[in-house]
Amino acid sequence: AQKITQTQPGMFVQEKEAVTLDCTYDTSDPSYGLFWYKQPSSGEMIFLIYQGSYDQQNATEGRYSLNFQKARKSANLVISASQLGDSAMYFCAMREGYSTGANSKLTFGKGITLSVRP
Amino acid sequence: DTGVSQDPRHKITKRGQNVTFRCDPISEHNRLYWYRQTLGQGPEFLTYFQNEAQLEKSRLLSDRFSAERPKGSFSTLEIQRTEQGDSAMYLCASSLAEQFFGPGTRLTVL
Repeated sequence: AQKITQTQPGMFVQEKEAVTLDCTYDTSDPSYGLFWYKQPSSGEMIFLIYQGSYDQQNATEGRYSLNFQKARKSANLVISASQLGDSAMYFCAMREGYSTGANSKLTFGKGITLSVRP
Repeated sequence: DTGVSQDPRHKITKRGQNVTFRCDPISEHNRLYWYRQTLGQGPEFLTYFQNEAQLEKSRLLSDRFSAERPKGSFSTLEIQRTEQGDSAMYLCASSLAEQFFGPGTRLTVL
């Protein structure tokens, strides 16, 4: 079974509007971390936001927020006030195990293409 | 520049040749990862070092692949007898906690 599922087709959003990118995950480990990365056409993976499985509040980083619904196993990324520079691929990823000594590899979804229209 | 760097950025080679890629992590990061990304897919984990110790290798890492991290600093990934299926972006990341990625090496095997 896929551990990270991103099923949305390419997404389009008007500049200055908000957009939600969906991510569901599957794990039996009670301790895990969820990440979102942005990959522009240049290819570099840019870290955006992190949510730990035990975190009580949804993570926020500037215009990025993570809508974490643990019971539904979803970790959707919300981008507010979209900018043209937000056009890119967005990847959801999971790290199983919480401590720094745990298995640290990331498992990525297939990604979602976001296009911001002027 | 204090980010993760990778060299070369692009490599074109003929099938059967050996290639070697280098990754320089962020200096204080003790963990270093290699991932492979093919077109239209997310990165897939290949291997991981903590300091100089290689702690995990994916099944994706066939016998033709070898990675080293001498002295726990930079790392190299070598692919022997390249095949067309090896064509991909090879990404390196380093971390203390969150992983920060380099720009990648795009390999094309003709």
